[in-house]
Amino acid sequence: DTGVSQDPRHKITKRGQNVTFRCDPISEHNRLYWYRQTLGQGPEFLTYFQNEAQLEKSRLLSDRFSAERPKGSFSTLEIQRTEQGDSAMYLCASSTGGGTGGNEQFFGPGTRLTVL
Amino acid sequence: KNEVEQSPQNLTAQEGEFITINCSYSVGISALHWLQQHPGGGIVSLFMLSSGKKKHGRLIATINIQEKHSSLHITASHPRDSAVYICAVRSKGGSQGNLIFGKGTKLSVKP
Repeated sequence: DTGVSQDPRHKITKRGQNVTFRCDPISEHNRLYWYRQTLGQGPEFLTYFQNEAQLEKSRLLSDRFSAERPKGSFSTLEIQRTEQGDSAMYLCASSTGGGTGGNEQFFGPGTRLTVL
Repeated sequence: KNEVEQSPQNLTAQEGEFITINCSYSVGISALHWLQQHPGGGIVSLFMLSSGKKKHGRLIATINIQEKHSSLHITASHPRDSAVYICAVRSKGGSQGNLIFGKGTKLSVKP
């Protein structure tokens, strides 16, 4: 499988618990992006990495959220002390780097989080 | 007002009809993306364009940079085209990573 994969696909948790999601990008892609999508809305940017460096974080990414890409390959997104408002689809995408216009992003299937 | 606006929000068509989905944006951009999202969440990139027109199969995307407007056309629509179509832009001078998304247009094609 050469696409972007995400794990788990679904996660149900109780308020206050910590959750961690994983994203495996396309192997030759050096850029990796995290987005959040709530019901009926378009995705919203959370953060992105070029290799292992986290180059930008959205103001949506509160201090309860942390993302890592330690070896420049897979990435994890952790949410601490989850709240019901964190319920959403968390999407990961990857792309090659370079070019002022950016490059086509390839999306994973998403992780749907439900906080009870 | 959102920086990326799509119209219509919902669209129902009969199989075979020609479909147009519109996207208007208010920022200078370096690229515009059209994406397709099926129930269950998976997103597929359809087009990335910065000028002119692109065609892939029954899909055509056009962009007018001066008017800050793009359209996605589907010819000879089919029930399998039923999905949410999302327009996203990368603002000129903005972060390389930060796409700004519209809310999507939900298309339903009836047999």
